Amino acid sequence: GAVVSQHPSRVICKSGTSVKIECRSLDFQATTMFWYRQFPKQSLMLMATSNEGSKATYEQGVEKDKFLINHASLTLSTLTVTSAHPEDSSFYICSARNPAGDISNEQFFGPGTRLTVL
Amino acid sequence: QQQVKQSPQSLIVQKGGISIINCAYENTAFDYFPWYQQFPGKGPALLIAIRPDVSEKKEGRFTISFNKSAKQFSLHIMDSQPGDSATYFCAATFEGGKLIFGQGTELSVKP
Repeated sequence: GAVVSQHPSRVICKSGTSVKIECRSLDFQATTMFWYRQFPKQSLMLMATSNEGSKATYEQGVEKDKFLINHASLTLSTLTVTSAHPEDSSFYICSARNPAGDISNEQFFGPGTRLTVL
Repeated sequence: QQQVKQSPQSLIVQKGGISIINCAYENTAFDYFPWYQQFPGKGPALLIAIRPDVSEKKEGRFTISFNKSAKQFSLHIMDSQPGDSATYFCAATFEGGKLIFGQGTELSVKP
């Protein structure tokens, strides 16, 4: 199956700093990647859709200037949390669609990144 | 706007029993309905998925039942095992569209 990796798996930072999270599709090219946020005991909430070579599309209520997304290649999307605050502490998960797969709208998820802002 | 509703929120089943999780959706444009299994601290993993032109799909101990007219679908886990203890999410999407998740069900299988 298609594999998606994330780095780092967990990060602890001080309030006010910026944190970059990488999402990579390891064995396929992903024109579209998605970023989700998950708080404890809650469901996954879509933050934004990342399209290779174009601007990301953000969901309502997600600050695009705070959560910067860059999808510069077909295998890499990055999420940068700028000026992080304790309320940004969460589990961030990316997913990628494999347009060449048997099911074009199937998404493959990364292992997630646990962000803790002190 | 919640478009996929999932129940129950939590479920306790004895080993060997049947676990049943239900979902209902609103958008009739959805054409792909996956179920994901998530262990604590891990990303969700695809368990089984179905398209609305099929009423049932079975893979091993996992079965999806789909009722298009009622806009409902369910996951059945037969012969539930302690290793099945996890959080299960139903979801729905359409071609090229966003994946919409249900609220999740925390399943605990007692030995």
